Amino acid sequence: GESVGLHLPTLSVQEGDNSIINCAYSNSASDYFIWYKQESGKGPQFIIDIRSNMDKRQGQRVTVLLNKTVKHLSLQIAATQPGDSAVYFCAENPNAGNMLTFGGGTRLMVKP
Amino acid sequence: GAGVSQSPRYKVAKRGQDVALRCDPISGHVSLFWYQQALGQGPEFLTYFQNEAQLDKSGLPSDRFFAERPEGSVSTLKIQRTQQEDSAVYLCASSIGTGDNEQFFGPGTRLTVL
Repeated sequence: GESVGLHLPTLSVQEGDNSIINCAYSNSASDYFIWYKQESGKGPQFIIDIRSNMDKRQGQRVTVLLNKTVKHLSLQIAATQPGDSAVYFCAENPNAGNMLTFGGGTRLMVKP
Repeated sequence: GAGVSQSPRYKVAKRGQDVALRCDPISGHVSLFWYQQALGQGPEFLTYFQNEAQLDKSGLPSDRFFAERPEGSVSTLKIQRTQQEDSAVYLCASSIGTGDNEQFFGPGTRLTVL
C-alpha cells in the first residue's frame, strides 16, 4: 500500500501511555477543526471535530483542545494502543461547507 | 457499499498520457471533494461539487486538470498530458450536506507518472 508520512515529525510512545499531538493552524477566520487519522494505504479517517465556540471536546479515549488565541489545536489520546499507530492530521475549514486545509501531519508510533 | 470507493487504486501512466480517476461517493451525499496528497504531506484541496454543480475549482493546479459530476453522484477527475509532478495520491471525499459536515474519504488512487 501507499506509504504516508515518510518525512513527517514522529511521536513515539509506549503502549498504555497518553499521547499528545499538536497542530498550529493558519487562518484566524476558521471556525471548524477536525482531526484525521491516516493509516498506510488508506484515506484519512475522521476522529473528532470541534467548533470555534468551544475550547475542549471529548470523545472515546480522545480529547481535542482548541486555543484560538495562539491558533493551536491538540489531540490527546488516552491509553494509547498499537492500533493507534498512524499519521495524524489536523484540518481547518476556513470557508464553512467547503474545502478543508490540512496541516503537515504527525506520525504516531506506539511501542508494545 | 458503506463508504466512498475509488478506482483504480493504482495507476501508472507515461508522461503525456491522459488519465481518468473515478469516485463513487456515499449514496445520497450532496457534497463531493477531490484532494491531492503528495508523499509525506497532507491532502491539498482540488475541487468541490454540490450535487452536479462544481462550486469551487480553485485548487486545480492547471487547466490540464478537469473534474465532473454530471448526475450529482459519481465523479471523475481527468488529468490530460500527465507530467511527473502529477504523481500523487488523489483522494475523494463526500459529505451528507453542505455545512460543517464530516467528510468521509475514499482510499485514494495512487498515480505514478513515469
